[in-house]
Amino acid sequence: DAGVTQSPTHLIKTRGQQVTLRCSPKSGHDTVSWYQQALGQGPQFIFQYYEEEERQRGNFPDRFSGHQFPNYSSELNVNALLLGDSALYLCASSLLAGGRDTGELFFGEGSRLTVL
Amino acid sequence: AQTVTQSQPEMSVQEAETVTLSCTYDTSESDYYLFWYKQPPSRQMILVIRQEAYKQQNATENRFSVNFQKAAKSFSLKISDSQLGDAAMYFCAYRRYQGAQKLVFGQGTRLTINP
Repeated sequence: DAGVTQSPTHLIKTRGQQVTLRCSPKSGHDTVSWYQQALGQGPQFIFQYYEEEERQRGNFPDRFSGHQFPNYSSELNVNALLLGDSALYLCASSLLAGGRDTGELFFGEGSRLTVL
Repeated sequence: AQTVTQSQPEMSVQEAETVTLSCTYDTSESDYYLFWYKQPPSRQMILVIRQEAYKQQNATENRFSVNFQKAAKSFSLKISDSQLGDAAMYFCAYRRYQGAQKLVFGQGTRLTINP
């Protein structure tokens, strides 16, 4: 049973560039959430995708955008990168359809983004 | 808005001893989930234990148990018989019971196990 997979694991960008991070949810899951974890901090919710739509969004600017594909995988895009965007980006998946929400999220190992 | 506070940035314990990590939260909701997640150096968040607010009985998972005090909005994690593999960052998290699955995390507690 494949868990949540994220790519790339590490990447380095310069200010002003754009980045795309990818996530494949755990087998059987239909919902993907993205979190930003700055060094030494707890994760902060960015947004959640279900049925290919953004369902909820945290306090992040429009530079952060996403997409969910028909196979439930997801991308996180960040435009006009700032130094402060350096962080670990975590993807989490869950099952929402059919009233089967158990409350649990399954996390990937994250993508470490460094902005120089 | 819901908030989660972990007041212990770091804790240490001798191997085989017991340690308790503290967590308080603030919410106006009556139904919700509380979680403890473990994040080892591999970075992957691993669910340790889950508590549903409507359940009065404290959750337990092997060596891990919680002390859930709903009126006090407190949710502490007790680790018994600590093992070297328990060393990690521990995060307390809150989620509304219905609707959006957004997790609100605390700042984390770094747990060190001394051999």
